[in-house]
Amino acid sequence: GDSVTQMEGPVTLSEEAFLTINCTYTATGYPSLFWYVQYPGEGLQLLLKATKADDKGSNKGFEATYRKETTSFHLEKGSVQVSDSAVYFCALTPTGNQFYFGTGTSLTVIP
Amino acid sequence: EAEVAQSPRYKITEKSQAVAFWCDPISGHATLYWYRQILGQGPELLVQFQDESVVDDSQLPKDRFSAERLKGVDSTLKIQPAELGDSAMYLCASSPRPSRNTEAFFGQGTRLTVV
Repeated sequence: GDSVTQMEGPVTLSEEAFLTINCTYTATGYPSLFWYVQYPGEGLQLLLKATKADDKGSNKGFEATYRKETTSFHLEKGSVQVSDSAVYFCALTPTGNQFYFGTGTSLTVIP
Repeated sequence: EAEVAQSPRYKITEKSQAVAFWCDPISGHATLYWYRQILGQGPELLVQFQDESVVDDSQLPKDRFSAERLKGVDSTLKIQPAELGDSAMYLCASSPRPSRNTEAFFGQGTRLTVV
């Protein structure tokens, strides 16, 4: 079935460090891929998305490229800030009718 | 900016009591989802509505959980009786129509603690 696998956390980085959070997926057909962010005690907010192979989603300095050949959608940011501390979820939808989420990766950025 | 509204934000209830959560999706969104998120895990779908019809409730524990969306707008999720294992964040989300190009928009959630 359709599923998403994320790298396990927690991840702790110093401010201005480079961030990568790995995400791979299993799906039939051509799913759309998403990264959501969740701050403590809050719901999920869309961070970025990509709807076809080789698309790059970007927002707030974060980027992820839809790689069909490696079934991956890794999240990257060149220089993290303390305010980026949150839990990040990779997700996919095969048809838009159902969303599948990874288990989340907790990021803590220290000054 | 339009938002998905949920209430209450927090709820503490005793085991075996009934509890209900309310969700008002973004105006015009036909699809509504209820997810349960256990601490440290990703959201898991409980029930999905298309307008007023249930399209997927395969993961809803129907012996104690019920959900309705009578007029195809706002929705209520009920648990009766609550059990200790129901402690979790309950998230409501909506989207305009099922489309692989459209994300789900989430509310802030209801944090349920069963004591």
